[in-house]
Amino acid sequence: TQLLEQSPQFLSIQEGENLTVYCNSSSVFSSLQWYRQEPGEGPVLLVTVVTGGEVKKLKRLTFQFGDARKDSSLHITAAQPGDTGLYLCAGVLTGGGNKLTFGTGTQLKVEL
Amino acid sequence: GAVVSQHPSRVICKSGTSVKIECRSLDFQATTMFWYRQFPKQSLMLMATSNEGSKATYEQGVEKDKFLINHASLTLSTLTVTSAHPEDSSFYICSAFGQGAGEEKLFFGSGTQLSVL
Repeated sequence: TQLLEQSPQFLSIQEGENLTVYCNSSSVFSSLQWYRQEPGEGPVLLVTVVTGGEVKKLKRLTFQFGDARKDSSLHITAAQPGDTGLYLCAGVLTGGGNKLTFGTGTQLKVEL
Repeated sequence: GAVVSQHPSRVICKSGTSVKIECRSLDFQATTMFWYRQFPKQSLMLMATSNEGSKATYEQGVEKDKFLINHASLTLSTLTVTSAHPEDSSFYICSAFGQGAGEEKLFFGSGTQLSVL
């Protein structure tokens, strides 16, 4: 059983549409990160959230950390083909040192 | 910001041979590095935590004799896949904590695609 479950697993949308990716767990995380990865490359950090209820915006991307620090969401407004990629949430468990646990991943494809 | 270099980026080998993958922190020291494995269109699975000057800590289900990790210096960790078989074919990625934009964060190498024939 994966500690961090992401949904949906796959998402194919048209350019200009909005979407939300969810990252859920029954465990509490001291911090949670979102990454985007392209084929054949390492993941690239998009954002880190550390406070329950925190909302961070990065241009068209909005990230939210749940009040209980067990879940997070990523919302993309007006998606573009350049947003295509594998989106991964990853968290550090409370008391887990600096070991990062990755979510199951969401493969996003944005078509023209 | 910090840079993590991984080499080689792609390797093809015959079944039964051993393959070594290097992970270097280029402009910072990393006492801890992490090794992940990733299958196509799936997430990263942590294999082990590499500790400078001591034994690596392996995740449950990862064979330590199969995946040898050496972290002999503060800037280099290596992962050796011993007696590789086709089922070991995967994308292997390393990471290390470093300073970036005034905060400590995890930097990832660009990955190594291993194909075992």
